[in-house]
Amino acid sequence: GQNIDQPTEMTATEGAIVQINCTYQTSGFNGLFWYQQHAGEAPTFLSYNVLDGLEEKGRFSSFLSRSKGYSYLLLKELQMKDSASYLCAVRGGYNKLIFGAGTRLAVHP
Amino acid sequence: DSGVTQTPKHLITATGQRVTLRCSPRSGDLSVYWYQQSLDQGLQFLIQYYNGEERAKGNILERFSAQQFPDLHSELNLSSLELGDSALYFCASSLLTGEQFFGPGTRLTVL
Repeated sequence: GQNIDQPTEMTATEGAIVQINCTYQTSGFNGLFWYQQHAGEAPTFLSYNVLDGLEEKGRFSSFLSRSKGYSYLLLKELQMKDSASYLCAVRGGYNKLIFGAGTRLAVHP
Repeated sequence: DSGVTQTPKHLITATGQRVTLRCSPRSGDLSVYWYQQSLDQGLQFLIQYYNGEERAKGNILERFSAQQFPDLHSELNLSSLELGDSALYFCASSLLTGEQFFGPGTRLTVL
């Protein structure tokens, strides 16, 4: 079967660092994506990992361990506008994305 | 703005009815994907088209169907609507294996 697990909710303080974990068990793997989604809006692309290791992109970094079926998204210098849902998605065959349920992050002053 | 357009933005209809949702992909993208997102749920993959042909199917009900036209726009048809079909429906597009860009979504409310 296919299973992607993320924490349902997280809270953090403005200016802090937060790590959102994602574990997956899927029948195929062609990379892992992180998307940000504000309530009622379209998901927007944050990062993509296909090889093990850390990918850094400004305040956002994403890590992948294929052998452990594990990824995390690291958000630094949190801002209020980072309050959103963060979606982990595994790409299988034909570029099909299987999404986790998402992690709702609330950033407080 | 992702470059993917979807119409209508909102749709309110009654149970048993049929609706059509429309999507225009980004210029140059050949693949179109449809997703359903119910309240507080994750995105569920429905179906993918590539250059007019169905490429992959997910959790799409038999009451739902889709097609991609020669100009690459796509339509998702939902029939015999039920209350549980109320959701946000997103379309995304990509080059064959690239990042998917999502449209703004169509919010469907079935009363």
